[in-house]
Amino acid sequence: DIQMTQSPSSLSASVGDRVIITCRASQSISSNLNWHQQKPGKAPKVLIYAASSLQSGVPSRFSGSGSGTDFTLTISSLQPEDFATYYCQQSYSTPLTFGPGTKVDIK
Amino acid sequence: EVQLVESGGGLVQPGGSLRLSCAASGFTFSNYWMNWVRQAPGKGLEWVANIKQDGSDKYYVDSVKGRFTISRDNAKNSLYLQMNSLRAEDTAVYYCARGNCLYWGQGTLVTVSS
Repeated sequence: DIQMTQSPSSLSASVGDRVIITCRASQSISSNLNWHQQKPGKAPKVLIYAASSLQSGVPSRFSGSGSGTDFTLTISSLQPEDFATYYCQQSYSTPLTFGPGTKVDIK
Repeated sequence: EVQLVESGGGLVQPGGSLRLSCAASGFTFSNYWMNWVRQAPGKGLEWVANIKQDGSDKYYVDSVKGRFTISRDNAKNSLYLQMNSLRAEDTAVYYCARGNCLYWGQGTLVTVSS
């Protein structure tokens, strides 16, 4: 099974800050990496798919990069509605696996 | 608009059974792999099972093998998860998700407790 790790596990940031979350796969997954946002009590929502493609309707302040084993999610200017938990997920092979999550809260 | 609506969750005793359903609309259901993903209270996301477009291939996480069965009815645009021999550690919100998890339902809560 492919193991996914994320860092940091949590961070505190202010509105307007640039935020970077990293994700690492235990083996190469090419660009088969999605980023999901989850708010308390809600279902996850995909932000980025195939490592760098922005899902329709997602604000352009979100961007993704990377390939192989190392990936990043960048929020260029954090907004109040962005405080949430973010998960990376590999879709390269079954079982699909998720990172442990990064909780972004208000500084 | 892609819509996935889960149902069938509830409170069940350890050792009991439950069948979850996921009603799909807004896309050609028979064209996609489908998944069940769960989230225990306060925990992260765990993929549970998936099924090929025609139902011919199915995969499960080790912890549910032999206890859970995923199935689908393409004529009814529906996905199912039959859960038997339930344990306390199966307590979670269960989500159905399309393909590579690019679309999610709202989830249904399963609580296993005496």
